[in-house]
Amino acid sequence: DQQVKQNSPSLSVQEGRISILNCDYTNSMFDYFLWYKKYPAEGPTFLISISSIKDKNEDGRFTVFLNKSAKHLSLHIVPSQPGDSAVYFCAASARQGAQKLVFGQGTRLTINP
Amino acid sequence: DVKVTQSSRYLVKRTGEKVFLECVQDMDHENMFWYRQDPGLGLRLIYFSYDVKMKEKGDIPEGYSVSREKKERFSLILESASTNQTSMYLCASSFGGVNGYTFGSGTRLTVV
Repeated sequence: DQQVKQNSPSLSVQEGRISILNCDYTNSMFDYFLWYKKYPAEGPTFLISISSIKDKNEDGRFTVFLNKSAKHLSLHIVPSQPGDSAVYFCAASARQGAQKLVFGQGTRLTINP
Repeated sequence: DVKVTQSSRYLVKRTGEKVFLECVQDMDHENMFWYRQDPGLGLRLIYFSYDVKMKEKGDIPEGYSVSREKKERFSLILESASTNQTSMYLCASSFGGVNGYTFGSGTRLTVV
């Protein structure tokens, strides 16, 4: 039972354009969402997060949008750069519960020069 | 910077062997976690610990156990390794709250 789903295993985007990565969740108890970035042979690193009281959070080139009614979030990267090529994981947490994260399957983003 | 160190980058073990994966963090974090990463499945939580000698099952604990005798060290144990435990294993620690996860570089375990 995959509570956090990333339905696109891979995405290819041209350098300078916008990258949009999508994530859906099923558990209505989730109220905090994060994106992690992972390079090969390294552990995931935190990128950006959003609380359910917001619908948008921005940090430089990265913006996360949350649509609670649709149980959907997306990560926008603009402009995309070659160094953004990595696997991106969406993660969710229910603050009331244990301090653990539930991750999606990941999306491999490739930025083409 | 918080550092989470996993003792081995690559391991090859035989079916039926007892396998120990070690994880050490250097920032006095209370919480420690073991995940495995598999293609198409993402990261799945095996076990986690909130304090020394405390452990909680994650989503896929079968075939695994853990040990946390000291605050900085969290060990994952495969009692009798099987080929379906071939995977990338990732350890993480956090001080409190889900924002502060720091992951190790991972151990790629192959069971033959």
